Amino acid sequence: EAGVAQSPRYKIIEKRQSVAFWCNPISGHATLYWYQQILGQGPKLLIQFQNNGVVDDSQLPKDRFSAERLKGVDSTLKIQPAKLEDSAVYLCASSPTSGRATGELFFGEGSRLTVL
Amino acid sequence: KQEVTQIPAALSVPEGENLVLNCSFTDSAIYNLQWFRQDPGKGLTSLLLIQSSQREQTSGRLNASLDKSSGRSTLYIAASQPGDSATYLCAVGRNYGQNFVFGPGTRLSVLP
Repeated sequence: EAGVAQSPRYKIIEKRQSVAFWCNPISGHATLYWYQQILGQGPKLLIQFQNNGVVDDSQLPKDRFSAERLKGVDSTLKIQPAKLEDSAVYLCASSPTSGRATGELFFGEGSRLTVL
Repeated sequence: KQEVTQIPAALSVPEGENLVLNCSFTDSAIYNLQWFRQDPGKGLTSLLLIQSSQREQTSGRLNASLDKSSGRSTLYIAASQPGDSATYLCAVGRNYGQNFVFGPGTRLSVLP
């Protein structure tokens, strides 16, 4: 079974530029999450999708961050314009809503963003 | 608001020791709890998932326990090996379908 795929793995941009990250969840997983992990901290939820609907985006800085999940499968996370404090690893995770692994989180390798 | 803490922040042990990592949470009304391992520069790898109705889960040398009433979970690693060196994070699931709240992690170093 293929895992959660993310790209790009690394991105370096200047502040005020824009960047986009892509995630392809495990096939059949209805729930998709984007987390932000700053060095030395645990991941913090940015947005949660159930199929293609948003369940929780309360911690998403909506003035600069946006995310979409077209057709309830792939998702993109965009930052525009980027700030220095956005330097972090952006982790995508998916979770099934039925079966033995219901509620279990499966993560991708992450996309490391450096804002100069 | 659920808050998750992990003690200690870092731990260094000689190879072969048994060790315990701690996770505490403030709201006992949880749906499940998951332990993860994170290697430097990598994503999170799921180790064990404990549902709220369970007391413990075991996988190989790993055993995780859950005590909802006291707001605690422990991860027990038996006969530690250098390959166990990583950061271990716990995450608490608040309700079915809701997001997980993560602790800051414990950085473990197992010395040969």
